Amino acid sequence: EIVMTQSPATLSVSPGERVTLSCRASQSVSSNLAWYQQKPGQAPRLLIYGASTRATGIPGRISGSGSGTEFTLTISNLQSEDFAVYFCQQYNTWPSFAFGQGTKLEI
Amino acid sequence: EVQLLESGGGLGQPGGSLRLSCAASGFNLMTYAMSWVRQAPGKGLEWVSTISGTGGSTFYTDSVKGRFTISRDNYINTVYLQTDRLGAEDTAMYYCARLVATNNGYYYMDVWGKGITVTVSS
Repeated sequence: EIVMTQSPATLSVSPGERVTLSCRASQSVSSNLAWYQQKPGQAPRLLIYGASTRATGIPGRISGSGSGTEFTLTISNLQSEDFAVYFCQQYNTWPSFAFGQGTKLEI
Repeated sequence: EVQLLESGGGLGQPGGSLRLSCAASGFNLMTYAMSWVRQAPGKGLEWVSTISGTGGSTFYTDSVKGRFTISRDNYINTVYLQTDRLGAEDTAMYYCARLVATNNGYYYMDVWGKGITVTVSS
């Protein structure tokens, strides 16, 4: 079983800043990693797949990197709409999946 | 617009059953595998089950095997999750999600519903 660990659990930042979120896999998942944004009462939104490919409509200030066991999600020039919970997901073991516990981005 | 809308949740009795539905619109459901994912209060996301596009293959996380059944009716663009022998540990928000294939044969979730709450309590 692959365990996904995200850090930190909560990150307090200010609009306009740049932030980096971390996701670590307990064993290699190659580049089969996705990032999602979740806001209260809304459906989770796909941001990144393949560790670094932006989903349709995702702005260039959001980027992903990494492979194997270490991954990061970077958001530059933080906007008000970016304050949400972000979670990573590995799909290397499809049809089963594993998620990180999430990182909450707060003002 | 591509959308997924869950329904059928609510209060379930311990040992009882609920049938969750996921209505798809804006795309041809038949060409997509689908999954259910849940999130218990204050916890992270947990994959529950996956079904292939034709419904011929189904997969479950260990904790629900033998109790939950995933199925689909492509003619009415709906995926189901029959939840039986419910326990307190099944209390969660349940999401359905569409799976899209990568070039190298892996699948990730690209569209999610807003979720439906299941509460198991007497």
